[in-house]
Amino acid sequence: DARVTQTPRHKVTEMGQEVTMRCQPILGHNTVFWYRQTMMQGLELLAYFRNRAPLDDSGMPKDRFSAEMPDATLATLKIQPSEPRDSAVYFCASGSSGFPNEKLFFGSGTQLSVL
Amino acid sequence: DAKTTQPNSMESNEEEPVHLPCNHSTISGTDYIHWYRQLPSQGPEYVIHGLTSNVNNRMASLAIAEDRKSSTLILHRATLRDAAVYYCILSIGAGSYQLTFGKGTKLSVIP
Repeated sequence: DARVTQTPRHKVTEMGQEVTMRCQPILGHNTVFWYRQTMMQGLELLAYFRNRAPLDDSGMPKDRFSAEMPDATLATLKIQPSEPRDSAVYFCASGSSGFPNEKLFFGSGTQLSVL
Repeated sequence: DAKTTQPNSMESNEEEPVHLPCNHSTISGTDYIHWYRQLPSQGPEYVIHGLTSNVNNRMASLAIAEDRKSSTLILHRATLRDAAVYYCILSIGAGSYQLTFGKGTKLSVIP
């Protein structure tokens, strides 16, 4: 089965360090979402892309977060510098050009702990 | 933004049908209704979606009110594996396609 691949699965880092999370969307999908999940806030939409172009990143703290799609097979989410409050599970999801009349596929997430 | 309202939690007995309600009174004509679920320690998983008509798939059925201001996800026979948080979400409007999750309904299935 086709799946969205996220790496790393787990990341422990110290405050102030740069963190890069990667997402490989399903081949052929042109819609990519980044979400963050914490116990307190639930699932928050950070950014989403269509045909590699960012359509909305208003949910993302701009001073330290950045999201890009260097090519159609890779989406990245960077945090620099990281802070303890960034500790969360980060999910990537991809969808086809038929979205929203098609489903999204979610990856298994990157569990980030910032000490 | 169009938002949804769901009960925080529900319980069901195993092998009985479950009806999960969702209110979306400010829905627009082009907003799709999506349902996803999240099992413990996993990413969200697609369940079903629809626009105006009722929908059926192998996992569930989606019943949409005639005025589209509410919908109901129907699990025909709940199993222990269906215990999860169920999210009712609107994909907002043509050209935007945002999918913003709310708090969802935590479904517990009793053996």
